[in-house]
Amino acid sequence: GESVGLHLPTLSVQEGDNSIINCAYSNSASDYFIWYKQESGKGPQFIIDIRSNMDKRQGQRVTVLLNKTVKHLSLQIAATQPGDSAVYFCDNDMRFGAGTRLTVKP
Amino acid sequence: GAVVSQHPSWVICKSGTSVKIECRSLDFQATTMFWYRQFPKQSLMLMATSNEGSKATYEQGVEKDKFLINHASLTLSTLTVTSAHPEDSSFYICSAKVHRGNQPQHFGDGTRLSIL
Repeated sequence: GESVGLHLPTLSVQEGDNSIINCAYSNSASDYFIWYKQESGKGPQFIIDIRSNMDKRQGQRVTVLLNKTVKHLSLQIAATQPGDSAVYFCDNDMRFGAGTRLTVKP
Repeated sequence: GAVVSQHPSWVICKSGTSVKIECRSLDFQATTMFWYRQFPKQSLMLMATSNEGSKATYEQGVEKDKFLINHASLTLSTLTVTSAHPEDSSFYICSAKVHRGNQPQHFGDGTRLSIL
């Protein structure tokens, strides 16, 4: 079956640094991708999405990059803050990747 | 906007009990809702798609007789874990989309189910 996976299960960064979280997907026909943030004991929250006709999309402090050639998705968080500490999931057609736990050190 | 409410937030019960979890879309109508299960330190696993007025669509490996889904209105879907056992203990999360197609999901805050 199709799968969406992540390269890094954990990521620890210093407050103020930039963070990059990666995700690989296998369905080359996928046309829509979403990043969610999940804090402990809560449901996932929408961060940013991107359609396959784009290769980059920017939000507030976040950027998503899509490389369809290698089927890779990344989430970049600028000036990472303690409140960014959470687990981040990529979503492709209702299929979630394994998740990356981001820890921000003060 | 687009708030999904889930109730209860946690429940502890004895083995053999049936447990009902409610998922409500508070400010929009959802013809389709989704039920996920999440074990500690793991990803979300889609269990089933709940369709208003019709039968739910279950993912492979999910027992439909074990996890009963009812979507009786455009704002409410329920998941009943029947004759729950300790291995059913998990974090159950529901979600809904405001519109069909390529749209983000709006998630409830989950239900922590512990079966003793």
